[in-house]
Amino acid sequence: DIQMTQSPSTLSASVGDRVTITCRASQSISNWLAWYQQKPGKAPKLLIYKASSLESGVPSRFTGSGSGTEFTLTISSLQPDDYATYYCQQYNNYPRTFGQGTKVEIK
Amino acid sequence: EVQLLESGGGLVQPGGSLRLSCVVSGFTFGSFAMNWVRQAPGKGLEWVSSIAGSGSSIYYIDSAKGRFTISRDNSKNTLYLQMNSLRADDTGIYYCAKYDVVRGFQYWGQGTLVTVSS
Repeated sequence: DIQMTQSPSTLSASVGDRVTITCRASQSISNWLAWYQQKPGKAPKLLIYKASSLESGVPSRFTGSGSGTEFTLTISSLQPDDYATYYCQQYNNYPRTFGQGTKVEIK
Repeated sequence: EVQLLESGGGLVQPGGSLRLSCVVSGFTFGSFAMNWVRQAPGKGLEWVSSIAGSGSSIYYIDSAKGRFTISRDNSKNTLYLQMNSLRADDTGIYYCAKYDVVRGFQYWGQGTLVTVSS
């Protein structure tokens, strides 16, 4: 199974900060990586697919990059609506696997 | 508008069974693979099972093999998860999600809560 490791697990940041979350795969997944945002009590929402493609309707302050085993999600200027938990997921192999999540908290 | 609506969750004793359903609208159901993903209380996301649009290919997480069965009825736009021999660690919210070959898990339902407890 492919293990997905996110860092950090928790991140404290202020509105306007640039935020970066890292996701590492235990083996190459090419660019078959997605990022999801989840708010408390809500379903996950797709933000980024194929490592760097922005899903329709998602603000352009979200960018994804990387390929192979190293990926990042960057929020260029953190907004109040962005406080949430973020998950990476590989969809190159079965079982599909998620990172453990990164909670973005208010500083 | 794409909509996915899960149902069938509830409280069940260890060893019991539940059948989850996910009714979808807003897209051609039979053309897309579908997935079940669960989330234990306070924990992260865990993929459980996938089924191809035709139902011809099915995959499970190891812990679900032999206990869970995914199926679909394309005439009813409905996805199912039959869960048998339930254990306490199966407790959580179960989401259905539409799979897109490029975008991954593109749309999600609101989830249904399964609680396995005596």
